[in-house]
Amino acid sequence: GDSVTQMEGPVTLSEEAFLTINCTYTATGYPSLFWYVQYPGEGLQLLLKATKADDKGSNKGFEATYRKETTSFHLEKGSVQVSDSAVYFCALSEKTGANNLFFGTGTRLTVIP
Amino acid sequence: DTAVSQTPKYLVTQMGNDKSIKCEQNLGHDTMYWYKQDSKKFLKIMFSYNNKELIINETVPNRFSPKSPDKAHLNLHINSLELGDSAVYFCASSQEGPRLAFFGQGTRLTVV
Repeated sequence: GDSVTQMEGPVTLSEEAFLTINCTYTATGYPSLFWYVQYPGEGLQLLLKATKADDKGSNKGFEATYRKETTSFHLEKGSVQVSDSAVYFCALSEKTGANNLFFGTGTRLTVIP
Repeated sequence: DTAVSQTPKYLVTQMGNDKSIKCEQNLGHDTMYWYKQDSKKFLKIMFSYNNKELIINETVPNRFSPKSPDKAHLNLHINSLELGDSAVYFCASSQEGPRLAFFGQGTRLTVV
């Protein structure tokens, strides 16, 4: 079945450090891949997405590239800020039965000044 | 301002009780959803409403009944709660389909 395996946290970084949160997936077809973010006290928000192999999703300085050969969708940011502190969820959705979303367990990021 | 808000955040109740979870969105979206997240973090859709009309009703026990008084609200009522209903329930809204939905904080329901 479909699943997402996400790097366990928590992750603590200093401001301006480089961030990588690993995500790998298992899927029977050709899924779309997503990163969602949950800021303290708020709901899940879509951060970025990629719908086919080699696509790069980007938003707010975050990037992730859909790698079919390694079944990965790692999240990266070159220089994190305190305001990036949140829980990050990797997710996938098969193109058929698209109403289901498979989420990873989430990775809590804390950025300290 | 919270875009999608659901209450309560935590709910602990006994088997057999009836409970409701409320959801409100201030994004002006036409479509709202209820998802159930199981212990493996799999988020599965339960219901979808578009402009107060039910458009998706997955295989969910009849004990679960959504109610949408207007397009900004979609409440979930659960009758005769069972242990297996324990999960995190997420409300969401979207204008472009479920993949681009905004989610609420989730309600962790524990049935004892």
